[in-house]
Amino acid sequence: AQSVAQPEDQVNVAEGNPLTVKCTYSVSGNPYLFWYVQYPNRGLQFLLKYITGDNLVKGSYGFEAEFNKSQTSFHLKKPSALVSDSALYFCAVRDNSNSGYALNFGKGTSLLVTP
Amino acid sequence: DVKVTQSSRYLVKRTGEKVFLECVQDMDHENMFWYRQDPGLGLRLIYFSYDVKMKEKGDIPEGYSVSREKKERFSLILESASTNQTSMYLCASSFRGGANNEQFFGPGTRLTVL
Repeated sequence: AQSVAQPEDQVNVAEGNPLTVKCTYSVSGNPYLFWYVQYPNRGLQFLLKYITGDNLVKGSYGFEAEFNKSQTSFHLKKPSALVSDSALYFCAVRDNSNSGYALNFGKGTSLLVTP
Repeated sequence: DVKVTQSSRYLVKRTGEKVFLECVQDMDHENMFWYRQDPGLGLRLIYFSYDVKMKEKGDIPEGYSVSREKKERFSLILESASTNQTSMYLCASSFRGGANNEQFFGPGTRLTVL
């Protein structure tokens, strides 16, 4: 089964500092990996995805993610955090075992950026 | 922009009631999904549909059913609501396959069952 793990429930970072939100994956075959963000009382918003190609993927709001096949990781990064980046972040992997290609999500990481 | 709408943002129902949650998307997506989100558990897939009148069970289908009579609409039905179904329900849609099938989410329905 395709799965992802987010080892940190919460990440705290000061505004202006770089941030990393970690995600590791376990898949058979080539992984299709995604990052989503959820602001309070809102649905999930798509940030970026890795399908194939460059290991560094750029997405919305200045976020990027690095795909590392040897470490089976897909960490989300941003060079300089903003207070407005405070939200819940979900890593997900496409489940290729069903016809709808549903996503399997991690449990989420709460990011708190302090002024 | 893709738009996925859900019929209610907040809903309060009583135990034993039949509950309908509606989801509509405007991007001609083949796939539609229902998830529930609970603290510490992330998102869990309840049901999905890859075509009109087609449905497949997700990870936690017990106590739920779905209906997809039109391509743009996907309904989640709680036949007899129970308190353990109090949760945030998220609908999503996507193209069926290929590289461009990221899912787009609605704003969610926070359901409380008393």
